[in-house]
Amino acid sequence: NAGVTQTPKFQVLKTGQSMTLQCAQDMNHNSMYWYRQDPGMGLRLIYYSASEGTTDKGEVPNGYNVSRLNKREFSLRLESAAPSQTSVYFCASSVRETQYFGPGTRLLVL
Amino acid sequence: QKEVEQDPGPLSVPEGAIVSLNCTYSNSAFQYFMWYRQYSRKGPELLMYTYSSGNKEDGRFTAQVDKSSKYISLFIRDSQPSDSATYLCAINTGTASKLTFGTGTRLQVTL
Repeated sequence: NAGVTQTPKFQVLKTGQSMTLQCAQDMNHNSMYWYRQDPGMGLRLIYYSASEGTTDKGEVPNGYNVSRLNKREFSLRLESAAPSQTSVYFCASSVRETQYFGPGTRLLVL
Repeated sequence: QKEVEQDPGPLSVPEGAIVSLNCTYSNSAFQYFMWYRQYSRKGPELLMYTYSSGNKEDGRFTAQVDKSSKYISLFIRDSQPSDSATYLCAINTGTASKLTFGTGTRLQVTL
């Protein structure tokens, strides 16, 4: 089992460019999440999906969109990247209260 | 007031020391309490999980929850250099399995 995988590992964007961060899990979990992690701010929830076909906003959803493509995949899209979106992005999936995290995507917006 | 408060450290201890990491929380509805360990440039991994007041032990690690004080702790006995990482507390209200994280405490165990 690969667990939770994320692509790409690292990306540099210019302000205004768009990109999609991909996440997939092979643990048959219903719930999936996207977080961003910034120094001194901890992990903050961007969006989550409690089950296939549903998505909900988290603490910091502005500037992001998500798609729960199927049970395995949950993507995060930045339509027009801003320097404030420079961060490390983590995807997670969960069974009941326990969340399992991917290795992260480091994003730099210039 | 943040829902979960955690001292960011860094905390530096010599090998073999007992380490105490702590979080406080404000919402008495929180039911599940977890500790995650995050190595540099890696994703967080679950270390300990408990849903009741009291202690839970796993090897060198002990998680302690005091719901009356809204205080959770992680103790590491006989600390090793391999324990050097950031430790994040995480608390769950039971709603859609959403977790609220502390900011993390960076721990350095020196030889």
